[in-house]
Amino acid sequence: QSALTQPPSASGSPGQSVTISCTGTSSDIGTYNYVSWYQQHPGKAPKLMIFEVNKRPSGVPDRFSGSKSGNTASLTVSGLQAEDEADYYCSSHAGNYNWGMFGGGTKLTVL
Amino acid sequence: QITLKESGPTLVKPTQTLTLTCTFSGFSLSTSGVAVGWIRQPPGKALEWFALVYGNDVKYYSPSLNNRLTIAKDTSKNQVVLTMANMDPVDTATYYCALRMVPGAFDYWGQGTLVTVSS
Repeated sequence: QSALTQPPSASGSPGQSVTISCTGTSSDIGTYNYVSWYQQHPGKAPKLMIFEVNKRPSGVPDRFSGSKSGNTASLTVSGLQAEDEADYYCSSHAGNYNWGMFGGGTKLTVL
Repeated sequence: QITLKESGPTLVKPTQTLTLTCTFSGFSLSTSGVAVGWIRQPPGKALEWFALVYGNDVKYYSPSLNNRLTIAKDTSKNQVVLTMANMDPVDTATYYCALRMVPGAFDYWGQGTLVTVSS
């Protein structure tokens, strides 16, 4: 199965909002509510930011929110801050043959 | 405090078998619904999940790597061991182990270990 599709880059100025999309198919995002988002700074391990489409782990600022419509999931970062500059990856369950499909990643730049 | 740490060789030759160990603390793999998975990331590229084991010993593998992988847990040692056969230079990547406590996601990650495949 192909990876989930994300835009390679996104950007916004401090204080603005930016939304990153993640497009899958009816076999993954379209069927399962197990969509998660990860933040990865250079040289660091990924950090879970959103799970089950729109739930935030403890400690993740409420500036980060997730949603899903059809086969596309989205991550919105509101009130952009310099430390939000990172790579962001979406992931989805895809049935019994793929329990952790990832997207290609989006590099978020804070201008 | 939950921690995970990967260990294993940093350099393997083509056709060799890679063995990586994930040693963890702060949780029990015997707890219902808890799993440990392996994810890799080639330099400059995206994340790729490829193996997962639950506390009840149910295992899942990526279809693309299935025939090369074995994942096993040792609950008494708080370890998960991964073997990947027939290594190739394209398998050069940082290999992460991660904890799945929330459904469908990896909520805690190890620091990762870079494995280079070269003769």
